[in-house]
Amino acid sequence: GPKVLQIPSHQIIDMGQMVTLNCDPVSNHLYFYWYKQILGQQMEFLVNFYNGKVMEKSKLFKDQFSVERPDGSYFTLKIQPTALEDSAVYFCASSRRGSGNTLYFGEGSRLIVV
Amino acid sequence: GDSVTQTEGLVTLTEGLPVMLNCTYQTIYSNPFLFWYVQHLNESPRLLLKSFTDNKRTEHQGFHATLHKSSSSFHLQKSSAQLSDSALYYCALSAAYQGGRALIFGTGTTVSVSP
Repeated sequence: GPKVLQIPSHQIIDMGQMVTLNCDPVSNHLYFYWYKQILGQQMEFLVNFYNGKVMEKSKLFKDQFSVERPDGSYFTLKIQPTALEDSAVYFCASSRRGSGNTLYFGEGSRLIVV
Repeated sequence: GDSVTQTEGLVTLTEGLPVMLNCTYQTIYSNPFLFWYVQHLNESPRLLLKSFTDNKRTEHQGFHATLHKSSSSFHLQKSSAQLSDSALYYCALSAAYQGGRALIFGTGTTVSVSP
């Protein structure tokens, strides 16, 4: 089936540093999403993105977070500066026409902030 | 705002027994889309089944669910559990087919099937 690629799969970073998580969505998909999952807990919505703009974001999407997809390349989640509570697995997802369609998830990027 | 409630955090059962996972939702929109996603250990969530049609049963891989708008429910069932069904199951809601609406997940139900 369709594949969403996430890079890196794992990253350990010092608190206060910047991190960029990269997502290569399914090629003909137009909507992109980031979710956060702390170990053993539920999937929590962070943000969705369409046509170069943030469409909706949750309260978890702090000011230190930003997303972009420059020139149709990777869809990125940047955290600057990172905090200990940002340690989690971040899942990228994409869909063809919005969340009423099936979301396809990447394998996740495990971020550990120390 | 939109929300999804899954009442069971953990369901343990023996192989061959039936499974039912509860899901109820809240939304102001009259035509929501409801989904069940399954996440196996160390994997990403993948779609199990979805529906937007009231009172119509939808099936996939031995699982089935029926969206009941009157009770705002979308319970997941399977007649006979298999060991490979052990996973985390999420019920999820989307309030709009297109456009910038988030897919909202419930807290998830872990299913553990033993021999």
